[in-house]
Amino acid sequence: ETGVTQSPTHLIKTRGQQVTLRCSSQSGHNTVSWYQQALGQGPQFIFQYYREEENGRGNFPPRFSGLQFPNYSSELNVNALELDDSALYLCASSLAGQTNTEAFFGQGTRLTVV
Amino acid sequence: AQKVTQAQTEISVVEKEDVTLDCVYETRDTTYYLFWYKQPPSGELVFLIRRNSFDEQNEISGRYSWNFQKSTSSFNFTITASQVVDSAVYFCALRRGRSNSGYALNFGKGTSLLVTP
Repeated sequence: ETGVTQSPTHLIKTRGQQVTLRCSSQSGHNTVSWYQQALGQGPQFIFQYYREEENGRGNFPPRFSGLQFPNYSSELNVNALELDDSALYLCASSLAGQTNTEAFFGQGTRLTVV
Repeated sequence: AQKVTQAQTEISVVEKEDVTLDCVYETRDTTYYLFWYKQPPSGELVFLIRRNSFDEQNEISGRYSWNFQKSTSSFNFTITASQVVDSAVYFCALRRGRSNSGYALNFGKGTSLLVTP
């Protein structure tokens, strides 16, 4: 186990609703990244948080937003859900300033939008 | 632009066969990092290896080995004497080397490996 935990594990939402996903990073890690993985595809980088600020973002619209808390845990919020938002959402933690380190992933939250 | 191509979508082998998963990458950076992750049905991405662009030394870890060739922009992964437990989706990923670029990983589409008894 990596020590990165995500909640909930599964979630069903209706189109137009809002959703919040949560992630607790591995002990000692201060950076959290979020990825979206559609069925049969590789994970796509959404954004990253360091010191409670977003410091990197992929090609995702503003309705995807996040937070990082002083204990380095993080939330991913998605507003105005669309059917295409159905995916596995993965959280990864790492240690900033260490370019030669790896990111450790949680088990993911599987979101279904109906 | 950063891009990772895993041309093999699905591979099926019989237990104890050797199998090689291909990964080709594109980048204009001189410093970068390459990764392999394993994703079992449970969904969690399991880190297997990291290799930086300045280290072309091949690596062996048990039944796993990796061949990094900058000349062909490839980072292939070989499993020797495959086992049923190796069945999973394997992802190759690329990350920029600059520390201010965050830890964004560019993943390939993955190769689904099925090992049958």
